[in-house]
Amino acid sequence: ETGVTQTPRHLVMGMTNKKSLKCEQHLGHNAMYWYKQSAKKPLELMFVYSLEERVENNSVPSRFSPECPNSSHLFLHLHTLQPEDSALYLCASSQVGRGRNTGELFFGEGSRLTVL
Amino acid sequence: KNEVEQSPQNLTAQEGEFITINCSYSVGISALHWLQQHPGGGIVSLFMLSSGKKKHGRLIATINIQEKHSSLHITASHPRDSAVYICAVHRPGGADGLTFGKGTHLIIQP
Repeated sequence: ETGVTQTPRHLVMGMTNKKSLKCEQHLGHNAMYWYKQSAKKPLELMFVYSLEERVENNSVPSRFSPECPNSSHLFLHLHTLQPEDSALYLCASSQVGRGRNTGELFFGEGSRLTVL
Repeated sequence: KNEVEQSPQNLTAQEGEFITINCSYSVGISALHWLQQHPGGGIVSLFMLSSGKKKHGRLIATINIQEKHSSLHITASHPRDSAVYICAVHRPGGADGLTFGKGTHLIIQP
């Protein structure tokens, strides 16, 4: 138990579906992250909310939409995804100082997404 | 070429063997992480270090800032050590300042 909980653990969706991934952290951290892990590739940062500021990675397609209603909750809204979006989506949190992540990352168990 | 390179990519060893996983990086860093990912998917932080050496149980991590190299050692390896080990470095730039290696897939056979 790392203090970061992700739901659902597994999700299968069609290309026309709309679904959401949820992440909740119980660590009192002030930064939360979405990472994508595809086979044979390094972890890729998708989005980060740090000190209530959203930082985007411009290479993330608009079919992925993050939402951070408060410092403990993070969502990733999914719509009209493609089969190549099938991957493990990992949420993480950390304590940030001066807007930079210099601390230890705590990861959730991940949500395994399959797009048919 | 990835900014963080790990070797080997895959490693199979017998229970009890001494294991070394290497990480080389080509950018300036403020700290380096070693992470462990089990088949279920979750990732656990093992070490965060910026100099010297750290030890936790059977795990030892070392870093040489001048040579831009770090090693993770496992003594008296056990099948439960089977996992993917990921090296990540804190860079000055980037939204979260982290660059990840591709990971080393370790299998310890009984």
